[in-house]
Amino acid sequence: AQKITQTQPGMFVQEKEAVTLDCTYDTSDQSYGLFWYKQPSSGEMIFLIYQGSYDEQNATEGRYSLNFQKARKSANLVISASQLGDSAMYFCAMREGAGNNRKLIWGLGTSLAVNP
Amino acid sequence: KAGVTQTPRYLIKTRGQQVTLSCSPISGHRSVSWYQQTPGQGLQFLFEYFSETQRNKGNFPGRFSGRQFSNSRSEMNVSTLELGDSALYLCASSLFYSNTGELFFGEGSRLTVL
Repeated sequence: AQKITQTQPGMFVQEKEAVTLDCTYDTSDQSYGLFWYKQPSSGEMIFLIYQGSYDEQNATEGRYSLNFQKARKSANLVISASQLGDSAMYFCAMREGAGNNRKLIWGLGTSLAVNP
Repeated sequence: KAGVTQTPRYLIKTRGQQVTLSCSPISGHRSVSWYQQTPGQGLQFLFEYFSETQRNKGNFPGRFSGRQFSNSRSEMNVSTLELGDSALYLCASSLFYSNTGELFFGEGSRLTVL
């Protein structure tokens, strides 16, 4: 079974509108972390936002916020006021394990296109 | 400060050849991780090095190997290339090992195997 599921292969959004990218995860660990990265066509993965499993408040970083629903095991990324430069692939990742065995597990990504 | 630098950016090889990819981490970072990215499989973890020691390893065959030098620069090598090795190989550096902190990625080395 997939540990990280991103159900939207592709999304479109109008410039200046908000968009939500879905991510669900599966883990039996109590302590884990969730990340979102952006990958533009240049290939570089750019860190956007992080949520720890014990964080009670949803993480926010500028126009990015993470809608963390622990019971539902979902960690959706919300981008407010979309910009043309937001067009890219977006990846959700989960860090699980402990000590030397922490691993990052990645979803297959969502391609976001922002229309002018 | 300078980001993660990967060389070469693009390369084409034929089956059976070998390839060496290089990664220079952000200054001060001692952890370097390597990932293989393909459209069908997404990002898959290859290995992580910290202070010249391999700390963690993914599920790849022994044809995939790596090393890290005393200046934290890392190389990965793929021997006896197969068509399925065509992928974007991403390197990430971090202050701490075992994915404890934020990973900073390079732009990748795109390998095509013919």
